Amino acid sequence: AQKVTQAQTEISVVEKEDVTLDCVYETRDTTYYLFWYKQPPSGELVFLIRRNSFDEQNEISGRYSWNFQKSTSSFNFTITASQVVDSAVYFCALGSPISNFGNEKLTFGTGTRLTIIP
Amino acid sequence: DAGVIQSPRHEVTEMGQEVTLRCKPISGHNSLFWYRQTMMRGLELLIYFNNNVPIDDSGMPEDRFSAKMPNASFSTLKIQPSEPRDSAVYFCASSFTENYGYTFGSGTRLTVV
Repeated sequence: AQKVTQAQTEISVVEKEDVTLDCVYETRDTTYYLFWYKQPPSGELVFLIRRNSFDEQNEISGRYSWNFQKSTSSFNFTITASQVVDSAVYFCALGSPISNFGNEKLTFGTGTRLTIIP
Repeated sequence: DAGVIQSPRHEVTEMGQEVTLRCKPISGHNSLFWYRQTMMRGLELLIYFNNNVPIDDSGMPEDRFSAKMPNASFSTLKIQPSEPRDSAVYFCASSFTENYGYTFGSGTRLTVV
C-alpha cells in the first residue's frame, strides 16, 4: 500500500528564516513519482515539483529546494529566506504508475500548514 | 490557457437532493481526475478517466456517487441523494499522458445540510 507521512502538522517561522518540510513515503513500486503541491488560503492546489524515483539529484528553484533520499524514503522541501506569501498548506504526494496510460495515481500526505510571521 | 474550470465554486444543498459538479479540463489533456478533500480523510482520489473512459473508480465511496465524461472537454460528478457527510471540497484535475504534474481546478466547496 502507498503511504505518505508528513509528520509536521503545523510550522511557524519568522520571515526570512529557512524552513524545511518533511515527507516520508512508503511504496513497493520500483518506479514511482514524488510531488509537492502548495495550497494557499484561497484553496487551489498549485503544482511545485514532480520527481521520478530514478532521479535522486537535488533540485533548486529560486528559494525552493528539494532533497530526495531514496535510502530513507524521504523527499523534503526547503524554503530559503521565507516570505509571508509562502504561508500555505503544503502537500507531499506519491505517484503510483497506472499501467498502460503513462500517468500516476496520487496518494497525498495530510499536509503541513506553514505560517510565516512578518 | 484558462486552466481547469470547475463549477460551481460553492454549493449548499439539503440532504437528499441531487448535486452535480462540473469540470472542464485543459484543452488537449487526455486524463481527468476527481479528488475529494475533507478534514478527516485529506485528499483522496475518487475516479480517473483516460480518453474519456473511466479507468479506476475504486475511490468512489458508494453507489450514490457517479461520474461521467461524455467528451474530452467536460466531466460531471453527481451525488444522489446527497448526505451531510458528503460535505467536502471536490477537485478536478487534468493532465496529458507522459507529461508531468496535474493541473487542479479551484475546487467546488459542497455543503450538505
